[in-house]
Amino acid sequence: EPEVTQTPSHQVTQMGQEVILRCVPISNHLYFYWYRQILGQKVEFLVSFYNNEISEKSEIFDDQFSVERPDGSNFTLKIRSTKLEDSAMYFCASTPLKGNQPQHFGDGTRLSIL
Amino acid sequence: EDKVVQSPLSLVVHEGDTVTLNCSYEVTNFRSLLWYKQEKKAPTFLFMLTSSGIEKKSGRLSSILDKKELSSILNITATQTGDSAIYLCAALKFGNEKLTFGTGTRLTIIP
Repeated sequence: EPEVTQTPSHQVTQMGQEVILRCVPISNHLYFYWYRQILGQKVEFLVSFYNNEISEKSEIFDDQFSVERPDGSNFTLKIRSTKLEDSAMYFCASTPLKGNQPQHFGDGTRLSIL
Repeated sequence: EDKVVQSPLSLVVHEGDTVTLNCSYEVTNFRSLLWYKQEKKAPTFLFMLTSSGIEKKSGRLSSILDKKELSSILNITATQTGDSAIYLCAALKFGNEKLTFGTGTRLTIIP
């Protein structure tokens, strides 16, 4: 069964550094999402992306964050000037269409900021 | 503010027992309720419920939505140790694509 693939599985970074989290959505999917889950807390929506632009973002997704689809397969989340509170599990998800569709999640990247 | 609440937070049962997990929601422009199973990593999709009163079933798992009560239940019969996981429910709205998640129910099955 097709999967959403995320790399790396674990990223350790010094506070203040920039990180790029990578995702390869399922190949025929057109809508892409990033969520995060701080340890012990709920999964929270960050951003949705379609047709090379952000379609929706949460209040968490401020100027520190950006997303990009640099080529036909990858979807990236960049976090600039990382802070301790950015430590979390980051999940990528995708759907083939907009609307009433289940989102399929990758295994996540555990981001640890030191 | 949209809210999804799950209960219980944690549940420990013996193998073979039947469990019922609850999810309630307060979401404007509600469209669908989704259930996911989260083991070590990715939330794995289980069910999406859009219509009230129609049970969805997959093996020993079943789920139903009650739009009048703004709630859903997930039933697991004849539980197995492999059912041990966190079960998440999430609400989807009309007009956007973001999922609003509950905190999850941690289910532990004792052999």
